Amino acid sequence: QVQFVQSGAEVKKPGASVKISCKASGYIVTAYAVHWVRQAPGQRPEWMGWINVDNGNTKYSETFRDRVTITRDTSAKTAYMHLSSLTSEDTAVYYCARVVGPVDVWGNGTTVTVSS
Amino acid sequence: EIVLTQFPATLSLSPGERATLSCRASQSVSSDLAWYQQKPGQAPRLLISDASNRATGIPARFSGSGSGTDFTLTISSLESEDFAVYYCQHRSNWPGLTFGGGTKVDIK
Repeated sequence: QVQFVQSGAEVKKPGASVKISCKASGYIVTAYAVHWVRQAPGQRPEWMGWINVDNGNTKYSETFRDRVTITRDTSAKTAYMHLSSLTSEDTAVYYCARVVGPVDVWGNGTTVTVSS
Repeated sequence: EIVLTQFPATLSLSPGERATLSCRASQSVSSDLAWYQQKPGQAPRLLISDASNRATGIPARFSGSGSGTDFTLTISSLESEDFAVYYCQHRSNWPGLTFGGGTKVDIK
């Protein structure tokens, strides 16, 4: 079946960076973009950006443009999200997702905790 | 930027009752609206796409309606597993995604 498996939970100090991986399986990975969405505790999901897995083109939310970088390794069927200059407000669950109109497949989520 | 407003924020109902959840867009989104269910510790689960199309495997008690700016998710008869948070979502300034603030359906 189609699924995304993400890397494990992270604990970071303020000012640090985090890089999360998302391995896809069950479909032709170059056929769909991979999006990243985060959800802070008790908050609505928040879109961060996406990558065209086929050609590597990216687009980012204005909210994160200066701090986020999304990359991919097509041979490994894996996408990556790097977020820099972390603050406590970046404490959240981060999801990769496939968007076919709505989001039809979500990753299992990676919890990032930012604390001194 | 399109803003999605959901109401009520909380809906307290008993099993077997009908749930009616609303989502209002700040400007017309045509029928480009989806609904998701989220339980604690889980990713959101797609229920409805294009305002009224049930996703694969979603029970018939879930239905969506509306177009333009006003949308409704109806659960005809609540089952115990339906108590959760529900979000509406629009694909805005493609390829961005916008989510509503959510409605929590809890047990009365």
